Amino acid sequence: EPEVTQTPSHQVTQMGQEVILRCVPISNHLYFYWYRQILGQKVEFLVSFYNNEISEKSEIFDDQFSVERPDGSNFTLKIRSTKLEDSAMYFCASSRPGQGSNEQFFGPGTRLTVL
Amino acid sequence: QQQVKQSPQSLIVQKGGISIINCAYENTAFDYFPWYQQFPGKGPALLIAIRPDVSEKKEGRFTISFNKSAKQFSLHIMDSQPGDSATYFCAANSQGYNKLIFGAGTRLAVHP
Repeated sequence: EPEVTQTPSHQVTQMGQEVILRCVPISNHLYFYWYRQILGQKVEFLVSFYNNEISEKSEIFDDQFSVERPDGSNFTLKIRSTKLEDSAMYFCASSRPGQGSNEQFFGPGTRLTVL
Repeated sequence: QQQVKQSPQSLIVQKGGISIINCAYENTAFDYFPWYQQFPGKGPALLIAIRPDVSEKKEGRFTISFNKSAKQFSLHIMDSQPGDSATYFCAANSQGYNKLIFGAGTRLAVHP
């Protein structure tokens, strides 16, 4: 069964450093998303991406964040200058609505720890 | 208006019992209501989902009940098993491709 994959599974970084979280969505999906989950809290939407551009972003997704689909398979989230409060699980998701399903498939997540 | 309110925060059920988790929403534009199951250290996985044109959907031991007029929906887990112990999130969105709005989550513990 196709699945969303994410790398790395755990990233530790110093405050102020740049990090890039990588995702490989399901191959025939068209919509891509990043969500984050601070430990013990709910899953929060960050950004959605369609047709090579951002379709929606939350107020969390400020100028420190950017997304890119550099090739036909990868989808990345970059945090330019990490802050302590960026420590969270980051989930990538993908979907292909219009085929009778709204399902967003989530990856296993990247745990980001900012020291 | 974008919120989805979920209760209870935590739930303890004996093996074989029924687990019930409730969610309420405000935005009448929502037209898709999934439930996700999350085990520690894993990503959310879709369990079951419903659209507002039906009042109930059942898949195995899992049932969603949907009350459009009250803007509420609930997850029922029949014959709860220790393997069902996880965090459950309700969610909602509209038009398929939009962001999912998640509830706060319910941590379910099923005791043997």
